[in-house]
Amino acid sequence: GESVGLHLPTLSVQEGDNSIINCAYSNSASDYFIWYKQESGKGPQFIIDIRSNVGEKKDQRIAVTLNKTAKHFSLHITETQPEDSAVYFCAASSNDYKLSFGAGTTVTVRA
Amino acid sequence: GAGVSQSPSNKVTEKGKDVELRCDPISGHTALYWYRQSLGQGLEFLIYFQGNSAPDKSGLPSDRFSAERTGGSVSTLTIQRTQQEDSAVYLCASRYRGQGDTQYFGPGTRLTVL
Repeated sequence: GESVGLHLPTLSVQEGDNSIINCAYSNSASDYFIWYKQESGKGPQFIIDIRSNVGEKKDQRIAVTLNKTAKHFSLHITETQPEDSAVYFCAASSNDYKLSFGAGTTVTVRA
Repeated sequence: GAGVSQSPSNKVTEKGKDVELRCDPISGHTALYWYRQSLGQGLEFLIYFQGNSAPDKSGLPSDRFSAERTGGSVSTLTIQRTQQEDSAVYLCASRYRGQGDTQYFGPGTRLTVL
């Protein structure tokens, strides 16, 4: 099966700085990668995804990069804001429907 | 439009009791998932429904857990004879097959077994 893991359980970042969260996966057949943001007391919220045929995707202050050789993908947040404080989950899929999730990274933005 | 909704938002029960958790997916979504999230942990896949196909039950932790989806829409997750280790947040997600693999989550039901 698929194993997905985050490199850091917590990340503290100064407001206005850039953030990077890295996620490793084990299954070389994985072809879909996704990031979710979860705020306290809420369900995970989709933020960005990427397929294996591209190396980078951007959406305003958010970007995802994929390194298939190293089997990891990263979430990039530009000019991190207080509202970016949350738990971020990565997930990967090698089939049409089932996602394997990592344990989550808690991002804290310092004012 | 309306997102995925779940009820109740919180459920406290006594060990040994049965509980039912409800999920209303996004209208028109053919795929529905249940996950379990223990405190400080990631999401553990439980079960997947897709249209009229047989569900993928490979993630259900024991035979005390079951789920059904009636009419291809609303789903109910049932836990029989609850144990303290069942305490967790139970999340439901739905997906419109044909638009990629994006799953949209509900707010979850926090289950506490005393």
